[in-house]
Amino acid sequence: GQNIDQPTEMTATEGAIVQINCTYQTSGFNGLFWYQQHAGEAPTFLSYNVLDGLEEKGRFSSFLSRSKGYSYLLLKELQMKDSASYLCAVRDPTRSYNTDKLIFGTGTRLQVFP
Amino acid sequence: EAGVTQFPSHSVIEKGQTVTLRCDPISGHDNLYWYRRVMGKEIKFLLHFVKESKQDESGMPNNRFLAERTGGTYSTLKVQPAELEDSGVYFCASSRRENYGYTFGSGTRLTVV
Repeated sequence: GQNIDQPTEMTATEGAIVQINCTYQTSGFNGLFWYQQHAGEAPTFLSYNVLDGLEEKGRFSSFLSRSKGYSYLLLKELQMKDSASYLCAVRDPTRSYNTDKLIFGTGTRLQVFP
Repeated sequence: EAGVTQFPSHSVIEKGQTVTLRCDPISGHDNLYWYRRVMGKEIKFLLHFVKESKQDESGMPNNRFLAERTGGTYSTLKVQPAELEDSGVYFCASSRRENYGYTFGSGTRLTVV
């Protein structure tokens, strides 16, 4: 089966750096997404990795190692508004050509304290 | 552009009743997806429309769930009759074409009592 693991909760202090890890065990690989979701709101796209390495986008960066089945989301200069759930998702490698299904982890709830 | 809109935002119904959830995708997005998050679990795929056609409905839990997308615009997801285990948040997402990334709606929180 397909499985994605990420920590359930994390806490950090405003201004700090936090790394949220995600490991996946899937029968293949075709891309990994990170989404941010504030309570009661829509998940919003943060980053996409399909090749190994680091993708940087402002205060947020995402890293992928396909050989290790591992990704992390790095948040720098934390702000109170970064308190949210962070969802790791991989494209279903068993999907047919024209279906773009995602397999999600349970999400990591991040609380930022002043 | 307007985002993905879902209605209602919350619904509380009794076991055995029928509920219909609606999703209006972003205009021009042919691909429409339904996902569900049951309490404490991960978000799981239900089905995928391309225009009005069901492309993949492998995630639909059982035949109490019926999804439609008449005319390839908005979609409805009907649960009939609802059971307690159907409680959760139902998300809709749309994309312009395959492999292009999704935009999610805020979800409908369904509570079956």
